[in-house]
Amino acid sequence: AQTVTQSQPEMSVQEAETVTLSCTYDTSENNYYLFWYKQPPSRQMILVIRQEAYKQQNATENRFSVNFQKAAKSFSLKISDSQLGDTAMYFCAFRSNNAGNMLTFGGGTRLMVKP
Amino acid sequence: GAGVSQSPSNKVTEKGKDVELRCDPISGHTALYWYRQSLGQGLEFLIYFQGNSAPDKSGLPSDRFSAERTGGSVSTLTIQRTQQEDSAVYLCASSPSGAGHRGETQYFGPGTRLLVL
Repeated sequence: AQTVTQSQPEMSVQEAETVTLSCTYDTSENNYYLFWYKQPPSRQMILVIRQEAYKQQNATENRFSVNFQKAAKSFSLKISDSQLGDTAMYFCAFRSNNAGNMLTFGGGTRLMVKP
Repeated sequence: GAGVSQSPSNKVTEKGKDVELRCDPISGHTALYWYRQSLGQGLEFLIYFQGNSAPDKSGLPSDRFSAERTGGSVSTLTIQRTQQEDSAVYLCASSPSGAGHRGETQYFGPGTRLLVL
C-alpha cells in the first residue's frame, strides 16, 4: 500500500516571500500521479498542481511549482510571492496508475501567510 | 457551472442514531468518491462509484457504513448506529471519467461536518 508523509504540521511565511512544503511517499510502482490540494477554512479542497511520474519536467502553475525527485520519492511544493489568500491547509496526494481508485493523502501542512 | 454540493453542511446527532449524507456531483461526471477527514488529519478514502460498475467499497471502516448512487448521479452515504468516533468531515468528490483517467482532477464538495454526541 502507498503511504504519503508530510513532515511539517505547520509552516508560516511572510507575505511576498517564498515557502516550500515537503512531501514524501512510498510506492513500488513506476507510474503514478501526485497532487497538491489546498483546503481553505471553507473546507473545499482545491487542486493546486499535478505531476505525472513519467514526466521528468517539474509542473508549474503560476506562483506554484513542484520539485519532483522520483528516485527519492519526494514531491515538494514551492509557493513564490506568498499572498494572504494562500493561508490554508495543504495536502499532498498520490494516485496509482495501476490499482486502486482513490487518492491517498498525507496528513497536511497548515500554512499561515503573515502580513 | 455548478460544483459539487453536499448536504447538510453540518449535522449533530446522538450516539446510536442513523444519519444520511447527500452528495450532488458535477453534472456529467461519471466517477464519485467519498472521503472522511477526522479532526486535524488527512483524508481517508471510503468508497468509489464509476458509472454502472460495482462500487469500490474497500475503504468503508465497518458494516455500519453504506452508500448508494442513484441514476448515476446523486449519492447518499448512510451511517447506521453512529458512534462518537464517526465524528468527522465527510467529503464527496467527482471526476469526469474515473479509473480510465487516473490523472484527472477530482473536484471536491464543501463537506458535511458530522458530530456524534
